[in-house]
Amino acid sequence: DVVMTQSPLSLPVTLGQPASISCKSSESLVDSDGNSYLIWFQQRPGQSPRRLLYKVSNRDSGVPDRFSGSGSGTDFTLKISRVEAEDVGVYYCMQGAHWPRTFGQGTKVEIK
Amino acid sequence: EVQLLESGGDLVQPGGSLRLSCAASGFTFASYAMTWVRQAPGQGLEWVSGISKNDITYYADSVKGQFTISRDNSKNTLYLQMNSLRAEDTAVYYCTRGLAGMDVWGQGTTVIVSS
Repeated sequence: DVVMTQSPLSLPVTLGQPASISCKSSESLVDSDGNSYLIWFQQRPGQSPRRLLYKVSNRDSGVPDRFSGSGSGTDFTLKISRVEAEDVGVYYCMQGAHWPRTFGQGTKVEIK
Repeated sequence: EVQLLESGGDLVQPGGSLRLSCAASGFTFASYAMTWVRQAPGQGLEWVSGISKNDITYYADSVKGQFTISRDNSKNTLYLQMNSLRAEDTAVYYCTRGLAGMDVWGQGTTVIVSS
């Protein structure tokens, strides 16, 4: 199985400051169509997961532009340009290029 | 509005069975693959099973031979038949749209396996 490794697992951030989460896969996520199937989800406390970004860097409708994704191959990054209170929660990366699908362990973002 | 609504979660004894349902609305269900994801208490997300729009099925090794995913396009409903349940199957079970996209999620249904 493809192992997804996130770091850090805990991320205390000051409001208004940037935050960055790394996600590394044990195999390349580039599919035969040339796309990289790496997704980022946000799970706020007590809520279902919500997709933020797909195919590495494509933002979902309604997702603030302070969220951005980058990377290729096996190394990916989620960045929040200026953290707001509503960004508190756990962030997961997931690969959709190989079976079975696998998630990262999750990164808990909290306000300092 | 695109919506997924799970149901069927319950308290069940070890060795028991349960069938979860996921009712879809607001989109053409037959045109989409679907997936089940679970989350054990205080833990992360775990991919469980997926089904393509052509009924090709996929399973995590942890549930292969134990769970069966299916769909009824006439009822716009996704199912997960869970047999021989174990304590480690205790989790919130989410259905989500797509196999590699997972753009829409339900609110989840809770399965507790305990005597």
